[in-house]
Amino acid sequence: GAGVSQSPSNKVTEKGKDVELRCDPISGHTALYWYRQSLGQGLEFLIYFQGNSAPDKSGLPSDRFSAERTGGSVSTLTIQRTQQEDSAVYLCASSLNLLAGVTNEQFFGPGTRLTVL
Amino acid sequence: SQKIEQNSEALNIQEGKTATLTCNYTNYSPAYLQWYRQDPGRGPVFLLLIRENEKEKRKERLKVTFDTTLKQSLFHITASQPADSATYLCALFNNAGNMLTFGGGTRLMVKP
Repeated sequence: GAGVSQSPSNKVTEKGKDVELRCDPISGHTALYWYRQSLGQGLEFLIYFQGNSAPDKSGLPSDRFSAERTGGSVSTLTIQRTQQEDSAVYLCASSLNLLAGVTNEQFFGPGTRLTVL
Repeated sequence: SQKIEQNSEALNIQEGKTATLTCNYTNYSPAYLQWYRQDPGRGPVFLLLIRENEKEKRKERLKVTFDTTLKQSLFHITASQPADSATYLCALFNNAGNMLTFGGGTRLMVKP
């Protein structure tokens, strides 16, 4: 079946503009995660969803970042008033469920490369 | 605070040798640990999972060990090939069991 898809694959924007990144998880996966990866760096956790709810938003870097998920499927990550330090690859992943003690292999999308000029 | 450390320096080895990568963690009591592979421009891909009550796990040329006393996992690739060249990431769930935290990854270069 289809894997996790993300759009756009690349986004170049001007400082101060808003951007919206989209993630389509694998059908049936209830858990969805957003990460950020700067060049040559590891993955920085941003937020996760179990169904449509996001119990922990503490990973979001600032209040300019927000995310939502509707219908237990597609998720959007919105960055308002973008800054140059927001430039990174934004990765989305999904897993079958999110239960403590249950294996949760995460399936990653290809990422969206965001460049803020 | 919880921390996962991987050697940030690239590991260069000759084809056919065994590559060993290290993942150390502090302030975690993980139920299990995962290893992922990431190629340039791609998202990570799951490789292996090992539980706290498992000392060793194997999959083809891959072997993972998990020492909860040392708080360390070792990832081995035997008979390495140039195609194994990639960045390898370890990951742990936080103590609440609801968030996967990744190490910074170690880049492996296998030379023919």
